[in-house]
Amino acid sequence: QKEVEQNSGPLSVPEGAIASLNCTYSDRGSQSFFWYRQYSGKSPELIMFIYSNGDKEDGRFTAQLNKASQYVSLLIRDSQPSDSATYLCAVIRPGGYNKLIFGAGTRLAVHP
Amino acid sequence: KAGVTQTPRYLIKTRGQQVTLSCSPISGHRSVSWYQQTPGQGLQFLFEYFSETQRNKGNFPGRFSGRQFSNSRSEMNVSTLELGDSALYLCASGDSQETQYFGPGTRLLVL
Repeated sequence: QKEVEQNSGPLSVPEGAIASLNCTYSDRGSQSFFWYRQYSGKSPELIMFIYSNGDKEDGRFTAQLNKASQYVSLLIRDSQPSDSATYLCAVIRPGGYNKLIFGAGTRLAVHP
Repeated sequence: KAGVTQTPRYLIKTRGQQVTLSCSPISGHRSVSWYQQTPGQGLQFLFEYFSETQRNKGNFPGRFSGRQFSNSRSEMNVSTLELGDSALYLCASGDSQETQYFGPGTRLLVL
């Protein structure tokens, strides 16, 4: 079992719709959770981080964390073609300092 | 502030050679982490340096090594290159877990 699992996609959504990206993790002690976006040929860029159970909103993005279910999700409202990218979920385990453990990523395609 | 810079951006080497990659973090950041990204394995952590000390290491062979200088710049070295070392090598600089920013990467091709 991989430490961080994501559906590889592609997840295809129409422009203006809500895109829902999911991630599960295996280490129940994990405390820090991150979503990165990576465009083809580019490096990952941080979208959001979340530590506490519940929702965290930033603009069109909402991260949701459920530690009991070991589940993290990212919702993108009003999806735009420019949101088409690979979305990487990452966790940091206790004592991991800044070591990010990444999932394989979910490819999102937003079509006009 | 200037972002994370990595040099060189592209590199072609042959098997058996060694290579050194450089990363200059964002000013004020003392942590530099290195990652390898390949289509098959995804993003994998190599090591992290903080104030010139390696404080975390991933599951890579000893051919992969790194160091950090007093100005926080970091280098990673790969000796005796293998075809499977072809990858995008990324460094990330941060001053906390929440603020880790990646550089543009060095794309290494081993022939």
